[in-house]
Amino acid sequence: AQSVTQLDSQVPVFEEAPVELRCNYSSSVSVYLFWYVQYPNQGLQLLLKYLSGSTLVKGINGFEAEFNKSQTSFHLRKPSVHISDTAEYFCAVSDQVTGGGNKLTFGTGTQLKVEL
Amino acid sequence: GAGVSQSPRYKVAKRGQDVALRCDPISGHVSLFWYQQALGQGPEFLTYFQNEAQLDKSGLPSDRFFAERPEGSVSTLKIQRTQQEDSAVYLCASSFVNQPQHFGDGTRLSIL
Repeated sequence: AQSVTQLDSQVPVFEEAPVELRCNYSSSVSVYLFWYVQYPNQGLQLLLKYLSGSTLVKGINGFEAEFNKSQTSFHLRKPSVHISDTAEYFCAVSDQVTGGGNKLTFGTGTQLKVEL
Repeated sequence: GAGVSQSPRYKVAKRGQDVALRCDPISGHVSLFWYQQALGQGPEFLTYFQNEAQLDKSGLPSDRFFAERPEGSVSTLKIQRTQQEDSAVYLCASSFVNQPQHFGDGTRLSIL
């Protein structure tokens, strides 16, 4: 079984400032890692994923994340945020299993609020 | 549209009524997942289908919850004798095998 911890429930930041959203996970097996974004009254949109290879992963909308196995972390960063980045961000993990049953375990989310 | 489609978008029911939520996955996606998202929380896994086979239903909270995907495409999540704690957003996601999941916009269920 896995668990995901997002310690920051809300992160306020001014427009054009950098931001980091923290994610730590726990698992007894190797995992895949994901960040999703959710805008109000919408489903989840995949921002980026770590499956294997380079630990620095680049995603859409200028976001990137770094997988740190020793610290079991997968923090999300953006060097300069825009007002349109205001949304809820979810970190998620799944087992590296075959057969397609890669159900996701989500954190409780971080509300990013970008202010002018 | 090419995305995952869920209907209805909003459903209000009285406690004790049965409800049915529909999910149309992306064409060709073999895998289909249902999640429940309570207010202010992350989504929680309910059940998983590969084609028409329900391979994992470990997240269904009680025997009042039932899901089916009879022809390996459209799926229906049914909740019998609804209770107030069933109020949540129900998300459907689909994918190719072992590929990232694509989510629908969800059905917001309110039980009065």
